[in-house]
Amino acid sequence: DTEVTQTPKHLVMGMTNKKSLKCEQHMGHRAMYWYKQKAKKPPELMFVYSYEKLSINESVPSRFSPECPNSSLLNLHLHALQPEDSALYLCASSQEGLAIDTQYFGPGTRLTVL
Amino acid sequence: AQKVTQAQTEISVVEKEDVTLDCVYETRDTTYYLFWYKQPPSGELVFLIRRNSFDEQNEISGRYSWNFQKSTSSFNFTITASQVVDSAVYFCALVGGETSGSRLTFGEGTQLTVNP
Repeated sequence: DTEVTQTPKHLVMGMTNKKSLKCEQHMGHRAMYWYKQKAKKPPELMFVYSYEKLSINESVPSRFSPECPNSSLLNLHLHALQPEDSALYLCASSQEGLAIDTQYFGPGTRLTVL
Repeated sequence: AQKVTQAQTEISVVEKEDVTLDCVYETRDTTYYLFWYKQPPSGELVFLIRRNSFDEQNEISGRYSWNFQKSTSSFNFTITASQVVDSAVYFCALVGGETSGSRLTFGEGTQLTVNP
């Protein structure tokens, strides 16, 4: 059973909509991650939060806005997305955000932008 | 720069066959960590194993085994007596301990199909 949960499982939105993806982890981890995965490709890192502070932003467009309200919760706010942003969005968490730490992934949100 | 190569894009086997998934990596770090993840059609990446660069012992977990060889920069994964439930995409990944922070470098993945 995964201890990283993501909601919603599926999301369809128009280019003018505003929506949010939510992630929660129950392992007491202090680092959380957002990844984007296109079909038949590996995940691509978007953001890393460590101790509730943004530590890595992989030059992600501003239409994606992350938020970490506390160490267990991670949100990704979406606004004015493009059809090419359609993908599987994966959340992950790890102990401290160090290289040695294993990242544990949630089940993902399948996003379709019309 | 880190790089992970999984040369096998797709593998198809019949149930009960053994299958080996290859992973070759490149890194300039002396300390690094290697991972294997499984991604079934449901989408979740399931962690299988982590190996650090100082531990070359091979590992066996049930039907799964891993062969880490620093001399050839390889970290291969073998499934013995494969089952239909093993059908998934398998990713090999690398984190360089000195240069990458927590950035995982993934290979392109190997789609394994196990037919009944």
